[in-house]
Amino acid sequence: DVVMTQSPLSLPVTLGQPASISCRSSQSLVHSDGNNYLSWFHQRPGQSPRRLIYRVSNRDSGVPDRFSGSGSGTDFTLKISRVEAEDVGVYYCMQGTHWPFTFGGGTKVEIK
Amino acid sequence: EVQLVESGGDLVKPGGSLRLSCGVAGFTFSNAWMSWVRQAPGKGLEWVGRIKSKSDGGTIDYAAPVKGRFTISRDDSKNMLYLQMNGLKTEDTAVYYCTTAGLGNWGQGTLVTVSS
Repeated sequence: DVVMTQSPLSLPVTLGQPASISCRSSQSLVHSDGNNYLSWFHQRPGQSPRRLIYRVSNRDSGVPDRFSGSGSGTDFTLKISRVEAEDVGVYYCMQGTHWPFTFGGGTKVEIK
Repeated sequence: EVQLVESGGDLVKPGGSLRLSCGVAGFTFSNAWMSWVRQAPGKGLEWVGRIKSKSDGGTIDYAAPVKGRFTISRDDSKNMLYLQMNGLKTEDTAVYYCTTAGLGNWGQGTLVTVSS
């Protein structure tokens, strides 16, 4: 199975400041169709996860443009340009190129 | 508006069985690939399996920990997705989420607790 490794595990951030989460895969996520099937999810305490980004850099409907995704192959990044209070929670990356699809272990974002 | 509503979670003894249901609305279910994802208490997310639409062959894929014990099925006439869980183990304790295949839409989850 493809192992997804996120860093850091915990990310204390200051409101209004940028934040960045790294996700690395044990195999290339380039699909035979040329796409990288890498998604990012946000989960607030007690809530279901919500997808933010799909195929590396495409924001889902309603996702603020302060969220952006980048990367290719085995290295991917989620950036928040200016953290807001509602951004706290756990962020997960997920690969959908190789079955079984696998998630990273999560990065907990909290306000300093 | 897309809606996914899971039900059927319960407390069950090891070795027991349970069937989860997921009712969907707001999109053409028969054309959709669907998945189950679970989350053990305080832990991360784990794929359980997915089912393709009948028009795409209806193939079902399972994660290794549940293969041979869990069965995913669908009833397109009722807009329902199911997860039949047999031979339950304590490590199957989790919130089970019904999702669209790309995980763009999630239900609220239903808690399955396996304990003696």
